[in-house]
Amino acid sequence: EPEVTQTPSHQVTQMGQEVILRCVPISNHLYFYWYRQILGQKVEFLVSFYNNEISEKSEIFDDQFSVERPDGSNFTLKIRSTKLEDSAMYFCASSLRIGLIYEQYFGPGTRLTVT
Amino acid sequence: KQEVTQIPAALSVPEGENLVLNCSFTDSAIYNLQWFRQDPGKGLTSLLLIQSSQREQTSGRLNASLDKSSGRSTLYIAASQPGDSATYLCAVLNTNAGKSTFGDGTTLTVKP
Repeated sequence: EPEVTQTPSHQVTQMGQEVILRCVPISNHLYFYWYRQILGQKVEFLVSFYNNEISEKSEIFDDQFSVERPDGSNFTLKIRSTKLEDSAMYFCASSLRIGLIYEQYFGPGTRLTVT
Repeated sequence: KQEVTQIPAALSVPEGENLVLNCSFTDSAIYNLQWFRQDPGKGLTSLLLIQSSQREQTSGRLNASLDKSSGRSTLYIAASQPGDSATYLCAVLNTNAGKSTFGDGTTLTVKP
């Protein structure tokens, strides 16, 4: 069964460093998302991406964040200058759209630890 | 702004019991609602998706219902098993950009 994959599974970085989290969505999906979950808190929407542009973003997704689909298979989230509060599990998701239905499939997540 | 609430926050039951998890949302203009399972430290596994025009959806021992007008969904788990122990998340999709709003989840423990 097709699945969303993410690399790395765990990333440790120092405050102020740039990180790139990578995702390979399901191959025929057209809509891509990043969510994050701070330990013990809700899963929060960051950004959605379709047709090579951002469809919607949350207040969390400020100028420190960017997304890119550099080729036909990868979808990346870049954090330019990490802060301690960026420590969280980051989930990538992808979906088709059938009518008004988006069934989202999530990857296993990347645990980001900022020290 | 959509708010999603799940009750109870935690539930512990003996094996074999039937149980109901609840999800409520404030904005009834939704596209669909998805129930997910999350094991500790892991990703989200989609269990069921209910379209806004549907009243319920079934998969095996799981049945999800949706009452859009009252802003509620329930997840019914029949004949619970220890392997059902996990956190169950409700997510409501209510924008045409595919943004989902999640509840806090219900952490289920099924005791053998």
